Parts: sequence; structure tokens; C-alpha cells
Amino acid sequence: GAVVSQHPSRVICKSGTSVKIECRSLDFQATTMFWYRQFPKQSLMLMATSNEGSKATYEQGVEKDKFLINHASLTLSTLTVTSAHPEDSSFYICSAPPRQAYGYTFGSGTRLTVV
Amino acid sequence: QKEVEQDPGPLSVPEGAIVSLNCTYSNSAFQYFMWYRQYSRKGPELLMYTYSSGNKEDGRFTAQVDKSSKYISLFIRDSQPSDSATYLCAMRLAGTASKLTFGTGTRLQVML
Repeated sequence: GAVVSQHPSRVICKSGTSVKIECRSLDFQATTMFWYRQFPKQSLMLMATSNEGSKATYEQGVEKDKFLINHASLTLSTLTVTSAHPEDSSFYICSAPPRQAYGYTFGSGTRLTVV
Repeated sequence: QKEVEQDPGPLSVPEGAIVSLNCTYSNSAFQYFMWYRQYSRKGPELLMYTYSSGNKEDGRFTAQVDKSSKYISLFIRDSQPSDSATYLCAMRLAGTASKLTFGTGTRLQVML
């Protein structure tokens, strides 16, 4: 089946530093990648949609300069949290549609803790 | 009103019980319907996918869609402790790579 590999699974960083999260589609080409944020006991909140070779589309209220998304190839999309602060601590998950007629596949998530 | 409503639970059932999870939605343009299972601190795992009204069965899981009532359900038969997780309904419009709209999730605990 379609697999999205997400790394790292867990990261602790100091306030003010940047963190990069990678999502790779292992057995299909991901033209589109969705990036979500999830707070404890809450549902997923869509942050942005990235398309290979073009600029990402951000949801209302999401800071483009803080959450940099790059989708330079059909198998790799990255989310960089710049100048991270404790309020950016959260669970970040990526997702890609392997085919139009199928449900979307999710990465395993990245737990970011900013200290 | 949210586009997708889902009873947050938590829902606690004994092992072997039949579990019914439900979502209602307001946007009649939704065409594709999914159920995901999410264990704590993991990404959601696709359980069921359907795009038409009716029932779809896969092992112990049955997904039901009623587009006329804007209502979807997931039934779990012979529930097991390993089914303890949060279940998310999701739906999307037609078209390539349209974004998913999620319910709030239902926390299920299956007790021994």
C-alpha cells in the first residue's frame, strides 16, 4: 500500500532555533502534500497544502514565514518551523493522496517540543 | 455549525461488543468518505474508504453512508482491546487532491 515516511518522529529543540520535518512518499508520487497540526485530544488542523514545484497554500491564520514548506520533488515535502517558540510545540503530521479514488495516507507524525 | 459533527465520546465498551461510530455533515457536495483510526502519538491510519451510499465491509469493520441524510457510520464487530483508539471520520469533495474535512474524533476504549 501507499506509504508516507515522516521524520523525525520526535524532536526537542531550543527556543529560537529552526526544525525541519521531512515527509517522503515511498511507493507513489505525491504531487500534493497536506500538513497538519494536532493538539492533545483534538482533531487535525490543516496548516497548508503543498504542490510539487509551486508555492504552498496556507490556511487562514497560519504564518507563512514561520512554517516554511518546500515541495521540490514528487516524493519529498518538508516543513521547517523557523525561530521556534514553546507555543509551536505540537504534533505535526503530513498526508498525501496516492490516487484520486483512494483515501489519503498519513505520515506517523512528529512530536515537536520547544524548550 | 461545523461542517462535520462527530460525537467526541469517550466511548467505553466491553470486549466483544458491537461499536457504532457516527458522523453527520452539512455539505451535500462531499463525495468521498473515510474513517481513520489514530493511536496515541501516531499518525491516522486509513480504515475504510467509500464514495457511494450503502454499506462497505472489511473484516470486522463496516462503513455505512447515507448521502440523503448526510450521515455516515462505522460499525466494529467483536471489538477488541486493540481497537482502543480515536476514530476520525473524514470527507472530501470530488476532484484531485481536495482537502479532507475531519470530524472531531471519538475516543473508544474496549475493556477486557
